Formats: sequence, structure tokens, C-alpha cells
Amino acid sequence: NAGVTQTPKFQVLKTGQSMTLQCAQDMNHNSMYWYRQDPGMGLRLIYYSASEGTTDKGEVPNGYNVSRLNKREFSLRLESAAPSQTSVYFCASSPSLGQREAFFGQGTRLTVV
Amino acid sequence: EDQVTQSPEALRLQEGESSSLNCSYTVSGLRGLFWYRQDPGKGPEFLFTLYSAGEEKEKERLKATLTKKESFLHITAPKPEDSATYLCAVQASGTASKLTFGTGTRLQVTL
Repeated sequence: NAGVTQTPKFQVLKTGQSMTLQCAQDMNHNSMYWYRQDPGMGLRLIYYSASEGTTDKGEVPNGYNVSRLNKREFSLRLESAAPSQTSVYFCASSPSLGQREAFFGQGTRLTVV
Repeated sequence: EDQVTQSPEALRLQEGESSSLNCSYTVSGLRGLFWYRQDPGKGPEFLFTLYSAGEEKEKERLKATLTKKESFLHITAPKPEDSATYLCAVQASGTASKLTFGTGTRLQVTL
């Protein structure tokens, strides 16, 4: 099993450009999450999807949008990238919101210049 | 507001030198406390979930314990392959969506 697959692994954007980070899981999990990880800070939740067809804001949703395309796929979109969005982004999935033994992807290292 | 503080920030051990990592937390009501391991350039890997004070879980050289205010990750006779950052996170009762993560303890085990 591949687990959670994220693409791309690395990306450099210019300020104002847009991009979509892709995430897919093959574990039949209901819940999926997008986190960002910055030096000196814990992982912070951007958006989550409790189940197919639902999405909700996390702690730091500003500047992002998400789509739960189907049960497997959950994408994160930056409409107009800003230097403050330079970070490492992780997608994760778990059986449910209440079962948070999550599996994480390998991460996307994004730099906005 | 839920808070998680991990200490020390970094720890260097020699192979075979046992030690403990600390995770102190403040939460309105604990639904679960999670330990993850993160290798450089990789995503976190789930290790343990603890639900109530007094609970313990073990996996190879790692043992996690929980009290009402903190959790410890005990590493017995570590090997170089145990080198990683260990993350702690808490989930509060009534807020199923939110995990609050600590900043981690970076462990290096040398020969």
C-alpha cells in the first residue's frame, strides 16, 4: 500500500501565483487533513474533511481553499501565494475525526519568493 | 486554550544510554494524547495513542506513559536508528477536529 501520496514534493512560486497541492490516500479513510509545519512551531491544521463531501476550516485557513474530490483525494489550493505561505505542507488521513491515528504524506516543501 | 510543551528541545544520547522525553499539556478535557516520530524530510509516523492517566504502551525500545499533566516517552537502550524528532499532540474532548501539536524533541543517538 502506498498510504498517503502528495504531489509535488517541491515547488517554488512567485508571489501572486496560484497552485494546487494534490493528496490521495488508499486506506479507505473517511477523514483527511492539510497541515503546515514551520520552524519552531507545531503542526497547524489548515483545513480538514471529516468525510467525503464535507470540508471545514482549521486553525490557519486564510489564503487557502480545499476540495474533497472523492473519498480518496483532498486537494489544497493557494489562489494568490504570499511569502508567508512558505512552509512544508503535509496531507494526512485517519479512519475518522475521532480516530486520530493519522497517516501522513511525505510533505510538499513550498517556497514563495 | 490547549497547549503542548515538549522538553528538551534536543537530546543527544550514546547508543545504549536510556532516557525520557517529556510532553506537558494543558487541555480542557483529554480525549487522547498522541506520539509521532518524524524523520528529516518525511511526514510524521504514528507511534502511540494514550487515553487516560496511568495508561502505558510499548513498541520495541519505546514506552509511552501518561499522567494527568504530562506524558513521557521512555527510550531504553537506544540505537542510532532511533534518531528522529518525536512529536506529541493532544486532542481535547468535544473538539474532534483539532489536534494541538508540540514543537518536538530532536533526538540524536550516536555510536
